[in-house]
Amino acid sequence: NAGVTQTPKFQVLKTGQSMTLQCAQDMNHNSMYWYRQDPGMGLRLIYYSASEGTTDKGEVPNGYNVSRLNKREFSLRLESAAPSQTSVYFCASKGQRREGLYEQYFGPGTRLTVT
Amino acid sequence: AQTVTQSQPEMSVQEAETVTLSCTYDTSESNYYLFWYKQPPSRQMILVIRQEAYKQQNATENRFSVNFQKAAKSFSLKISDSQLGDTAMYFCAFMPQGGSEKLVFGKGTKLTVNP
Repeated sequence: NAGVTQTPKFQVLKTGQSMTLQCAQDMNHNSMYWYRQDPGMGLRLIYYSASEGTTDKGEVPNGYNVSRLNKREFSLRLESAAPSQTSVYFCASKGQRREGLYEQYFGPGTRLTVT
Repeated sequence: AQTVTQSQPEMSVQEAETVTLSCTYDTSESNYYLFWYKQPPSRQMILVIRQEAYKQQNATENRFSVNFQKAAKSFSLKISDSQLGDTAMYFCAFMPQGGSEKLVFGKGTKLTVNP
């Protein structure tokens, strides 16, 4: 049981390049999330998916697109990277630890630098 | 919209002593969860402790305990017998119950445990 996995762990892009961050979970969770973490800002929600086939915007969606490929996978795409998107990106899924108690489980993060 | 405020950007404590990290939140929801996450230099987000808002009893996990004051919308974390391995960023987070159950994070407190 790997939990939540993310690839790649590190990436450097030039301004204008595109890339996709991959996320997968093996816990059979319905809900998945993408966050970004900037210094002094905590984590902020980019997009989330409440179930397979649905996605919705979070607090900071501009410049990103997402795809919920199936129940396991939720990818984040940067179509034209900008230096302002330099950040650490976390994927998470939400599951029920016990009846009535939900929590989010996080992947290890992807450090992205846009030059 | 919910907000989470951590008023202490940095704190330090001597090994074996006790330290309390503050967190306040603002919400109109009546059912929700509160969490403390630890983020060591490895960047991994580790769940430390959780509290269900309907429970009056404060949560405890080994050396970690919370003081949950629902009326005051306060959720502080107490770390007893601090250890060097407790050095990390600590994030307070709020999650409404039901719906998308998105996490809202505070900006974090950097805790340093000194030998």
